[in-house]
Amino acid sequence: AQSVAQPEDQVNVAEGNPLTVKCTYSVSGNPYLFWYVQYPNRGLQFLLKYITGDNLVKGSYGFEAEFNKSQTSFHLKKPSALVSDSALYFCAVSSPSGSARQLTFGSGTQLTVLP
Amino acid sequence: EAQVTQNPRYLITVTGKKLTVTCSQNMNHEYMSWYRQDPGLGLRQIYYSMNVEVTDKGDVPEGYKVSRKEKRNFPLILESPSPNQTSLYFCASSFSGQPINNSPLHFGNGTRLTVT
Repeated sequence: AQSVAQPEDQVNVAEGNPLTVKCTYSVSGNPYLFWYVQYPNRGLQFLLKYITGDNLVKGSYGFEAEFNKSQTSFHLKKPSALVSDSALYFCAVSSPSGSARQLTFGSGTQLTVLP
Repeated sequence: EAQVTQNPRYLITVTGKKLTVTCSQNMNHEYMSWYRQDPGLGLRQIYYSMNVEVTDKGDVPEGYKVSRKEKRNFPLILESPSPNQTSLYFCASSFSGQPINNSPLHFGNGTRLTVT
């Protein structure tokens, strides 16, 4: 069975500082990896994905994520945090095999950017 | 505007009173899915549909029913709600339900259900 771990429930960072939100995964075969963001009272919005190729993936709002196969990680990063980045972030994994698309989400990390 | 629409946004009900949460998408997506979001547990899949008249159980299907009579609609039915079904529910859709499909899921804005 596939799984995702987000080891930090809460990450606090000062505005202008770099931020990292951690994610590790477990899946059979090659993974499809995703980051989604949830703002208050809204549904999840897609940020970026890794399918294959370059290990550094760039996404929306200046976010990027680094795929590390040996560490089975897919950490979300941003060089300079904004107060408006404060939100709940979810990592998710799926596999290109099987009979139907199955996306497994982590438990989420609440990011707070302090002014 | 491409969107997934859920109704209602908020619902308070009593144990045992049947309810339906509607979900509609205007993107001609084949794949639709229901999730519940609970603190510390992330999103867990309830049911999904690969296409019209094709539905299957997710990770936590007990106490829920779904139907997919039309491509755009995927209602979630709780025939006898219980307090442990108090949660935040999300409907989502994507172009295809094939595992090789890696297009992003589009989510509705959620339905917060309270069962007393």
